[in-house]
Amino acid sequence: DGGITQSPKYLFRKEGQNVTLSCEQNLNHDAMYWYRQDPGQGLRLIYYSQIVNDFQKGDIAEGYSVSREKKESFPLTVTSAQKNPTAFYLCASSGTSKETQYFGPGTRLLVL
Amino acid sequence: AQSVTQLDSHVSVSEGTPVLLRCNYSSSYSPSLFWYVQHPNKGLQLLLKYTSAATLVKGINGFEAEFKKSETSFHLTKPSAHMSDAAEYFCVVSEYYGGSYIPTFGRGTSLIVHP
Repeated sequence: DGGITQSPKYLFRKEGQNVTLSCEQNLNHDAMYWYRQDPGQGLRLIYYSQIVNDFQKGDIAEGYSVSREKKESFPLTVTSAQKNPTAFYLCASSGTSKETQYFGPGTRLLVL
Repeated sequence: AQSVTQLDSHVSVSEGTPVLLRCNYSSSYSPSLFWYVQHPNKGLQLLLKYTSAATLVKGINGFEAEFKKSETSFHLTKPSAHMSDAAEYFCVVSEYYGGSYIPTFGRGTSLIVHP
């Protein structure tokens, strides 16, 4: 089955800790995206990558970092600088139909 | 700059009655427009998209939307609601900018379906 996988489904972060959220796709898509979802605010773009080894900041990149070493993978690190990390995080990708995005199932990050 | 306004945060209907979820957009260029559905604690699923072809777009599960440029609207409709339609719905506008398609999401409309 082709698709996007995100792991873990739930993640707990302690104060001052960095955590990494995984996003993998086997759709052969060039572009990948990370979003943060908070209740009543829709989705906000954190980072996106159009090609391997290149990525750009979205609207709310502060306190987050990413890498794109492989086409299939786009991990997101939530650093200790992100003071309000509790949210639902969604990864997406797009391929030849560049304007259309396909989403993973999401990771819910909670702070202990 | 592009923006999306979903005019209702919640819509409540009875099963078997029509559904109308309203979306207005603002865009500098010819946008692509989308509706996505999200069930609780799940990712988003594409319902339908408009990309400058027919103005009436048919999607999955009996949903459709009409692009009205003069009204800058892209409302989502369904003739008869089903209990399984209860979910969060997002209207999205996407413009091509700097070599990339950058989407902007509305805040979402929660559809409640009563038996």
